[in-house]
Amino acid sequence: KQEVTQIPAALSVPEGENLVLNCSFTDSAIYNLQWFRQDPGKGLTSLLLIQSSQREQTSGRLNASLDKSSGRSTLYIAASQPGDSATYLCAVWGGSEKLVFGKGTKLTVNP
Amino acid sequence: GAVVSQHPSRVICKSGTSVKIECRSLDFQATTMFWYRQFPKKSLMLMATSNEGSKATYEQGVEKDKFLINHASLTLSTLTVTSAHPADSSFYICSARVDGAVNNEKLFFGSGTQLSVL
Repeated sequence: KQEVTQIPAALSVPEGENLVLNCSFTDSAIYNLQWFRQDPGKGLTSLLLIQSSQREQTSGRLNASLDKSSGRSTLYIAASQPGDSATYLCAVWGGSEKLVFGKGTKLTVNP
Repeated sequence: GAVVSQHPSRVICKSGTSVKIECRSLDFQATTMFWYRQFPKKSLMLMATSNEGSKATYEQGVEKDKFLINHASLTLSTLTVTSAHPADSSFYICSARVDGAVNNEKLFFGSGTQLSVL
């Protein structure tokens, strides 16, 4: 059974800092890994999707890496801003034909 | 981008009543939709996969007679929580996959429904 773990559970940083969120998964047989952003009372917004054959994806200040063999992914946020404050979710899609989510990392960027 | 509308965003109901949650794809057709729930400090967990014109597929441990899913059109799926119990209080969120896409590509989420059962 696939399990996804995200560390840390919460993170508070000053504005402008670069930060890394971590995600690990137990079953390396995945099709892809996806990072989402969840704002309170709102739905999920997909940030980046990395196919199993890829090593990283970039979008603006976000960079996600994937090491499928070790079951790890990181989300790097450069020059953080207060508007980045949200919960970040990592999820994998594998042979079970469904997204398996981690519990998320709650990020607070202080002005 | 594609929009998925979910209503209501928040509902409070009494124990024993039924609550219906709607998930609608506004600008695309979605033969397949997914229903998740999230308890406090827990992960989003898939409850069921909804397919237009056929019976939903429920995950292990999810009672199909309690959580009724109706996917009657290519743009609408509904989840009805029957005989609601305080233990059903949770955040429910749907997602819809654009027809023609595979896996989780082109999968869009609604804004969620916070259900509180008194």
